[in-house]
Amino acid sequence: DTAVSQTPKYLVTQMGNDKSIKCEQNLGHDTMYWYKQDSKKFLKIMFSYNNKELIINETVPNRFSPKSPDKAHLNLHINSLELGDSAVYFCASSGQGPANYGYTFGSGTRLTVV
Amino acid sequence: QKEVEQNSGPLSVPEGAIASLNCTYSDRGSQSFFWYRQYSGKSPELIMFIYSNGDKEDGRFTAQLNKASQYVSLLIRDSQPSDSATYLCAPNPGGKLIFGQGTELSVKP
Repeated sequence: DTAVSQTPKYLVTQMGNDKSIKCEQNLGHDTMYWYKQDSKKFLKIMFSYNNKELIINETVPNRFSPKSPDKAHLNLHINSLELGDSAVYFCASSGQGPANYGYTFGSGTRLTVV
Repeated sequence: QKEVEQNSGPLSVPEGAIASLNCTYSDRGSQSFFWYRQYSGKSPELIMFIYSNGDKEDGRFTAQLNKASQYVSLLIRDSQPSDSATYLCAPNPGGKLIFGQGTELSVKP
């Protein structure tokens, strides 16, 4: 059983399009995250939700909108895609307690904007 | 100053040697620290975490933490070619993991 699953794994789209990435976790974790990893491999946090509530919203263009229908799901919708949005997007989740502050990552979605 | 700094490498060590990976961080509010390994094209996977000053050992891996110096390190003993990957340091200030840019490790047979 995949703990944190993301779909799609690859996404190639044209500039200006709108796309969504879905994430689901079956670990019973309360908190979920979206990270962006750019071409230089730098992992940067974008958003975090705790039990469906937005708790972290980093400096991200408002073309990016997360949605959490329940604590097991966190989706990312991107409007008006730009070339600079090309990256790998990772979903992650974490539970409670020091040992559980470590995150479990999904396999990533490689987004290419052409 | 970057929040988390790591030497980007690549760090090249011969098989069987000790690999030493270093990390400094700026936020003194960080209470716990994580090391992740990321193979090319894969997602980060947790190797170990530490939250007390001193050393913590897990198999071939030892994490070392010095909060006064804002320094955390990872030692890999008896390095294997399968250890070749990028190692990411991540302190946890305010409940969110902040990642360094990673150190690329190459273990040569």
